[in-house]
Amino acid sequence: AQSVTQPDIHITVSEGASLELRCNYSYGATPYLFWYVQSPGQGLQLLLKYFSGDTLVQGIKGFEAEFKRSQSSFNLRKPSVHWSDAAEYFCAVATNNNDMRFGAGTRLTVKP
Amino acid sequence: DTAVSQTPKYLVTQMGNDKSIKCEQNLGHDTMYWYKQDSKKFLKIMFSYNNKELIINETVPNRFSPKSPDKAHLNLHINSLELGDSAVYFCASSKNTEAFFGQGTRLTVV
Repeated sequence: AQSVTQPDIHITVSEGASLELRCNYSYGATPYLFWYVQSPGQGLQLLLKYFSGDTLVQGIKGFEAEFKRSQSSFNLRKPSVHWSDAAEYFCAVATNNNDMRFGAGTRLTVKP
Repeated sequence: DTAVSQTPKYLVTQMGNDKSIKCEQNLGHDTMYWYKQDSKKFLKIMFSYNNKELIINETVPNRFSPKSPDKAHLNLHINSLELGDSAVYFCASSKNTEAFFGQGTRLTVV
């Protein structure tokens, strides 16, 4: 089965600084890749997804992610973090039979 | 208006009880899921259904029994609740692998 690793459990950045959250996946075929965000007490909201085509995908709230097949990575980036971005971020990989698996999540803290 | 709705949002119950969580989606999706999120925020897939048919059963104890009366509903029944069942349970539905999540049900077993 596919799997996802998010190496960073917790990241702290200053407001206005750039952000990169790491995600590595393991899957034999072409994966479907996602980033979700979860605010405290809330469900998961989709930030962006990669199915095929352009390896740099744009999402909501100013986020982007780049698929690198050679590195089995799908890192999430944002050029300038806002205090409201503080949340838990999950990377996920899905197969074409709708089997979606999540990484352990990265908690983002934003310092004023 | 809500795409994926779960009830109840909070559930506190004693060990040994039986409880159900309901999930409904109005997105017309064919696939629905149950995920369990533990206290460390780890999201683990429990079940997925496609057109009312069980597709994934991820070695969940058989005290957990999903039921899909139609493709818009996927309910989760839990027998003989244990302390370790305390978690947030998320329902989701998907089309073309993109999943939409409910707001979660926080289950506390005391």
